[in-house]
Amino acid sequence: KAGVTQTPRYLIKTRGQQVTLSCSPISGHRSVSWYQQTPGQGLQFLFEYFSETQRNKGNFPGRFSGRQFSNSRSEMNVSTLELGDSALYLCASSLSVARVGGYTFGSGTRLTVV
Amino acid sequence: AQTVTQSQPEMSVQEAETVTLSCTYDTSESDYYLFWYKQPPSRQMILVIRQEAYKQQNATENRFSVNFQKAAKSFSLKISDSQLGDAAMYFCARETSGSRLTFGEGTQLTVNP
Repeated sequence: KAGVTQTPRYLIKTRGQQVTLSCSPISGHRSVSWYQQTPGQGLQFLFEYFSETQRNKGNFPGRFSGRQFSNSRSEMNVSTLELGDSALYLCASSLSVARVGGYTFGSGTRLTVV
Repeated sequence: AQTVTQSQPEMSVQEAETVTLSCTYDTSESDYYLFWYKQPPSRQMILVIRQEAYKQQNATENRFSVNFQKAAKSFSLKISDSQLGDAAMYFCARETSGSRLTFGEGTQLTVNP
């Protein structure tokens, strides 16, 4: 079966712009989580969506937002980009109870803010 | 803060040898899951092995096994018969309630031929 698909793979944006990243989970998976990976901060949890509702949220400013559609695909948006937002953004999908089946990650979107 | 610590930023092993990666964690929960993920240069996080905290038996997946010491909050990964394809960054992670993972800093594993 198809894995977790993240698009685009690479993005270059200018400071102050906004960006939208997409994540298509494994078929049947209803939970989608987002993580930011940077050399300095490592992997940090952004938020998790389940059945179109945000179920959990990390400690990120309000410039970071997300949503989930009825087909479980998820998008995350970052507004007013800052240089520090440059990172690899990973999404992970899981069944309704994540610990049962574990998390499957996509290959990420590499965002560079200049 | 409930953290996950990997004290070895880098490790190396000879092909066919065994290597152990260390991980300690902090939690106030009694029921939780622990994971080891592998991230090769392709960037995709690949699940290596998973341990349920309430299970006494250590998890095993082929050449990969864990030593789970719940009281010590220790969760080390042993890779036997190391292969060149095992070279990657390895992350230890703990799942908190609410389907979120807390990751360690990672251990870069090099496999020497």
